[in-house]
Amino acid sequence: DAGVIQSPRHEVTEMGQEVTLRCKPISGHNSLFWYRQTMMRGLELLIYFNNNVPIDDSGMPEDRFSAKMPNASFSTLKIQPSEPRDSAVYFCASSATPGTANQPQHFGDGTRLSIL
Amino acid sequence: SQQGEEDPQALSIQEGENATMNCSYKTSINNLQWYRQNSGRGLVHLILIRSNEREKHSGRLRVTLDTSKKSSSLLITASRAADTASYFCATASNSGYSTLTFGKGTMLLVSP
Repeated sequence: DAGVIQSPRHEVTEMGQEVTLRCKPISGHNSLFWYRQTMMRGLELLIYFNNNVPIDDSGMPEDRFSAKMPNASFSTLKIQPSEPRDSAVYFCASSATPGTANQPQHFGDGTRLSIL
Repeated sequence: SQQGEEDPQALSIQEGENATMNCSYKTSINNLQWYRQNSGRGLVHLILIRSNEREKHSGRLRVTLDTSKKSSSLLITASRAADTASYFCATASNSGYSTLTFGKGTMLLVSP
């Protein structure tokens, strides 16, 4: 069984550039989550989708961040323009419904993003 | 703000010893979950305990939940070097479409 697949695994770019992170959830999972992990703030939920619809994006830090889920098997998280403080590890996770509360989340191995 | 707070922040033990990690939270929950994260990898789900359960076992893992104290503990028995990782608790609230709120984790080092 393929797990959650994220790409790229590492991204180094200069500030001001656009960054696009990609995620393929586990087939059949209806909920998808984007997280950011830093030493200072730990693991923060940025946005989550249910059946491809954004349900809660209150964790998205600024308008520079946007996320889409055009179909059940693909999601993107975009940062434009990027800033050094966006440097972090970004994780995508998926879970099966009904109810994200009672289902474990399955995480990808993350994208380590460094903005110079 | 973080819902779950793990204690201790770091724990160093020898192989064969037991490791206990604690998690405290603030609001009422639907369930509490424990995850492990190896260096450079994503989080892996270990165990889920519902609010009406008090104890759950899975292999060498034992989780307890005390909703009156709003706390949980994860016990790893007979630890191995391969258990070296960060361990996170995550809480799910009772409301509708629920998300998980993660603590900052306990870093466990098991020395051979």
